[in-house]
Amino acid sequence: SAVISQKPSRDICQRGTSLTIQCQVDSQVTMMFWYRQQPGQSLTLIATANQGSEATYESGFVIDKFPISRPNLTFSTLTVSNMSPEDSSIYLCSVTPTGAQETQYFGPGTRLLVL
Amino acid sequence: GQQLNQSPQSMFIQEGEDVSMNCTSSSIFNTWLWYKQDPGEGPVLLIALYKAGELTSNGRLTAQFGITRKDSFLNISASIPSDVGIYFCAVTGANSKLTFGKGITLSVRP
Repeated sequence: SAVISQKPSRDICQRGTSLTIQCQVDSQVTMMFWYRQQPGQSLTLIATANQGSEATYESGFVIDKFPISRPNLTFSTLTVSNMSPEDSSIYLCSVTPTGAQETQYFGPGTRLLVL
Repeated sequence: GQQLNQSPQSMFIQEGEDVSMNCTSSSIFNTWLWYKQDPGEGPVLLIALYKAGELTSNGRLTAQFGITRKDSFLNISASIPSDVGIYFCAVTGANSKLTFGKGITLSVRP
């Protein structure tokens, strides 16, 4: 597995502002992903963070709203832009470690409340 | 999109009892995963299944990959209070993307 940390762990933001969430892994990983978990719901994949190139977004998620960076094999950021109360969720990064078969390990999540 | 069916939404058991959870799909998948999420934390991988018919244990947890590759079950034996949480099944699709079930919230009465 891998040790994954996220910053911030939680935040309360005003609508119209943006928040950047960081995900740091303790070892190089092949794949990094970002998920959203709305209150009381399951996890929904936002995008795959690709190292050195643009992220691959899932249906319903766009780069302008959720810009993602992945400058190297251990770090990624997700920005939630122009926030509204509907963006209040837990945002989680996950990784597939090098050599791991089709599995993902999750960070602790970032709890976002938009007022 | 792909749908995983987990039901019921909630389960209530007595401490010491065994419990079984099922996860089904209308499509075939080659990898089935079971996660547990505690309040305020990210999901933790419990068991990964890679082969149809495979039966894998992790302590008091046992999971099986259905022979049709369309289902999986997770069994918890001799439940304890710390088993409380949300249990998600997930499958791996194209490009290593995960699809999650809706989850089952387990409550354990002491």
